[in-house]
Amino acid sequence: DTAVSQTPKYLVTQMGNDKSIKCEQNLGHDTMYWYKQDSKKFLKIMFSYNNKELIINETVPNRFSPKSPDKAHLNLHINSLELGDSAVYFCASSQRRLAGERETQYFGPGTRLLVL
Amino acid sequence: SQKIEQNSEALNIQEGKTATLTCNYTNYSPAYLQWYRQDPGRGPVFLLLIRENEKEKRKERLKVTFDTTLKQSLFHITASQPADSATYLCAGTDGSSNTGKLIFGQGTTLQVKP
Repeated sequence: DTAVSQTPKYLVTQMGNDKSIKCEQNLGHDTMYWYKQDSKKFLKIMFSYNNKELIINETVPNRFSPKSPDKAHLNLHINSLELGDSAVYFCASSQRRLAGERETQYFGPGTRLLVL
Repeated sequence: SQKIEQNSEALNIQEGKTATLTCNYTNYSPAYLQWYRQDPGRGPVFLLLIRENEKEKRKERLKVTFDTTLKQSLFHITASQPADSATYLCAGTDGSSNTGKLIFGQGTTLQVKP
């Protein structure tokens, strides 16, 4: 059973298009994240939701919009795609502990986005 | 700004030797540091977590240390094997919140030669 799954695995599209990436976790976690990993392998947080509430909203273009229909799903919609959006996008999840900490993160396999 | 820095150069070692990877943090004090392994084409996988009040943590052939004076964590793999070849990522909590935000280093690629 896949713990954190993402679709699609590969996404090749033209500049200016709008696309969505979907993420689902079956771990029962209450917190989900989107990360971007660039060509230099730098993994950077973009957004995080806790029980459908946005709790991390980093400085990313407003062309990127996350949506969490429930705590097991977190989607990422990207409008007007640009060449610089080409990267690998990872979804992750974690569970908030009683002390408020969220420790171990479980990552999905990634979505490789190529904008032409 | 808060930073996690790892040696971006690849580390090449011979099978059986101990690999030591370095992670330095600047401009903040993370409550804990985590180490993840990432294989090509895959997502990071959690390996170990060490809190700021812990000096050392072990798990099988893995050992991690946390030195708050040097602002550094060392990650050791003893008796390394070719299967240990991967990129290892160090991550620290964002010191200002409990959102679970992690700041990642750029990773160090380890190559273990038979």
